[in-house]
Amino acid sequence: AQKITQTQPGMFVQEKEAVTLDCTYDTSDPSYGLFWYKQPSSGEMIFLIYQGSYDQQNATEGRYSLNFQKARKSANLVISASQLGDSAMYFCAMRGPYNTDKLIFGTGTRLQVFP
Amino acid sequence: DTAVSQTPKYLVTQMGNDKSIKCEQNLGHDTMYWYKQDSKKFLKIMFSYNNKELIINETVPNRFSPKSPDKAHLNLHINSLELGDSAVYFCASSHNRGSMNTEAFFGQGTRLTVV
Repeated sequence: AQKITQTQPGMFVQEKEAVTLDCTYDTSDPSYGLFWYKQPSSGEMIFLIYQGSYDQQNATEGRYSLNFQKARKSANLVISASQLGDSAMYFCAMRGPYNTDKLIFGTGTRLQVFP
Repeated sequence: DTAVSQTPKYLVTQMGNDKSIKCEQNLGHDTMYWYKQDSKKFLKIMFSYNNKELIINETVPNRFSPKSPDKAHLNLHINSLELGDSAVYFCASSHNRGSMNTEAFFGQGTRLTVV
């Protein structure tokens, strides 16, 4: 069975600093997709970044990058130059070849950015 | 030009009542989902539909009945509401069923409170 683990229930970071949110996953499938979503206090789910298991390079999208370590089954989200608006819940999710019809989510990490 | 819209945003109702949540997407996607987010923010798939056909029913009580009149709409009807049904319900959609690199686009969520 596929599983996503986010071990940090909460993280604090000062504005303009970088922060890493951890995500590990468990799957026996050789191919899969990994996603990060942001959920601000307003409640909507915002897609941030995607990493495919066969991608040779780590994904980047603006201030977001994914530190993908396939052998360790980790897909950590790095947010550079944190902003107050980055305060939110962050969810790691996975879609696999035998479960392409759903995203499996981790329990989330609440990030708080302080001035 | 909202991509995935669901109504209502808030729903407060008494135990035992029947209620519906509507969802529409204008992205041309062929797959739609219902997710439930509990009080601990955990997101779990409930149903997945592809071109109006039920693909996933993730052991949801049969008091929950999704209906997809066309591939742009997926409604959720809940009978005999219970206190434990209180949660935020998210509708989502994606394209390219069978592809692992396709993110899901989420609606704003419906906060259901059963009293």
